[in-house]
Amino acid sequence: DIQMTQSPSSSLSASVGDRVTITCRASQSISDYLNWYQQKPGKAPKLLIYAAFRLQSRVPSRFSGSGSGTDFTLTISSLQPEDFATYYCQQSYSYPYNFGQGTKLEIK
Amino acid sequence: QLQLQESGPGLVKPSETLSLTCIVSGGSISSNSYYWDWIRQPPGKGLEWIGSIYYSGSTYYNPSLKSRVSISEDTSKNQFSLKLSSVTAADTAVYYCARRSSGWETGGVYWFDPWGQGTLVTVSS
Repeated sequence: DIQMTQSPSSSLSASVGDRVTITCRASQSISDYLNWYQQKPGKAPKLLIYAAFRLQSRVPSRFSGSGSGTDFTLTISSLQPEDFATYYCQQSYSYPYNFGQGTKLEIK
Repeated sequence: QLQLQESGPGLVKPSETLSLTCIVSGGSISSNSYYWDWIRQPPGKGLEWIGSIYYSGSTYYNPSLKSRVSISEDTSKNQFSLKLSSVTAADTAVYYCARRSSGWETGGVYWFDPWGQGTLVTVSS
């Protein structure tokens, strides 16, 4: 199985307007088979980025993804109040399709 | 607009079988472009992929659950189902169904979108 590890490992405090980066590392190379999701309390996850850097339709352009191989990043260029949520990476290189443990973005 | 809705009992007794159905509207599960997946999330924890079914009936399961899980489809009702046997408290979770897609420009990269709203299943006597 391919293990996905996110950093920070649990939570990150930031302020509105900050630039924030969350990283995701795969236990082996997964090329660009990497997706990012945002989850708010009591809601289903929402797709933000697919195939490492492609922005899902209707997702604000302040979200961006990069990386290939084993190391990936999700960047929010200027945090907005609605961005405080938990973020997950997910690999689709091979079964089982594991997720990272999640990173909770909190208001400082 | 494609929508998915999970349905099933919210309470299951230990050692029994958990059964959930995902009703799909606004699109056909018989399309050869998509897979149909189940994902779960224990309270306060992360996401775990359970498995999926393709329109042909082919299934793919997480090895950690493979001995207990079964996913099937009913194309006449445009829905697919999950059965998880011999449940314990560790199977208490919100269960989501989702469509798994890929694009011509992304090769074999698959992603989950959209998701159902999720349904909480508690395993308790």
